[in-house]
Amino acid sequence: AQSVTQPDIHITVSEGASLELRCNYSYGATPYLFWYVQSPGQGLQLLLKYFSGDTLVQGIKGFEAEFKRSQSSFNLRKPSVHWSDAAEYFCAVGARNQGGKLIFGQGTELSVKP
Amino acid sequence: GAVVSQHPSRVICKSGTSVKIECRSLDFQATTMFWYRQFPKKSLMLMATSNEGSKATYEQGVEKDKFLINHASLTLSTLTVTSAHPEDSSFYICSAIGGLGGRAGEQFFGPGTRLTVL
Repeated sequence: AQSVTQPDIHITVSEGASLELRCNYSYGATPYLFWYVQSPGQGLQLLLKYFSGDTLVQGIKGFEAEFKRSQSSFNLRKPSVHWSDAAEYFCAVGARNQGGKLIFGQGTELSVKP
Repeated sequence: GAVVSQHPSRVICKSGTSVKIECRSLDFQATTMFWYRQFPKKSLMLMATSNEGSKATYEQGVEKDKFLINHASLTLSTLTVTSAHPEDSSFYICSAIGGLGGRAGEQFFGPGTRLTVL
């Protein structure tokens, strides 16, 4: 079955500290992978995506993610977290032949301590 | 700025009534729109795929007679929750995929609509 797992429901980090949000997927086809951020009152914003090629993907706001096929993972990282990064983060998987349909993980809520 | 809007942003209704939620792509034509449902502290669950001019495709377990979807134009899709019950209370999110031009193939999400059924 196709699924996305974000093992961490809630993470708290100190401002300036590094961040890694985990994402594992189970998908039959070659996956397209995405990370979105959701802030209250805002629509989901795309942080980055992986379709093919270089497995280390750079996104907006200083985020990056690495696709590891052997581990079925697509973890999101940021070297130094800012207070404004506090939000809900969703990993999602899709496929070229799915017309844009996405399967989302459960989300990870990020809190940032001053 | 926002490229997909939803209206209303929040709505409260009585049990048994119907509620319509609009999803509009503001500066592009969307050949495909998706409707998701999000429960508190939970993932987004895809409800249906809406294609302009054709019937929506519903995901398994989603009642098509309860959640009516109409994609009447390339910029507007509507979700009507019929005979709403308290268990229909949720956050409904739409997304739209650009068909032509600068936003072709990109998917944008609306800000969501909070439905509360009393």
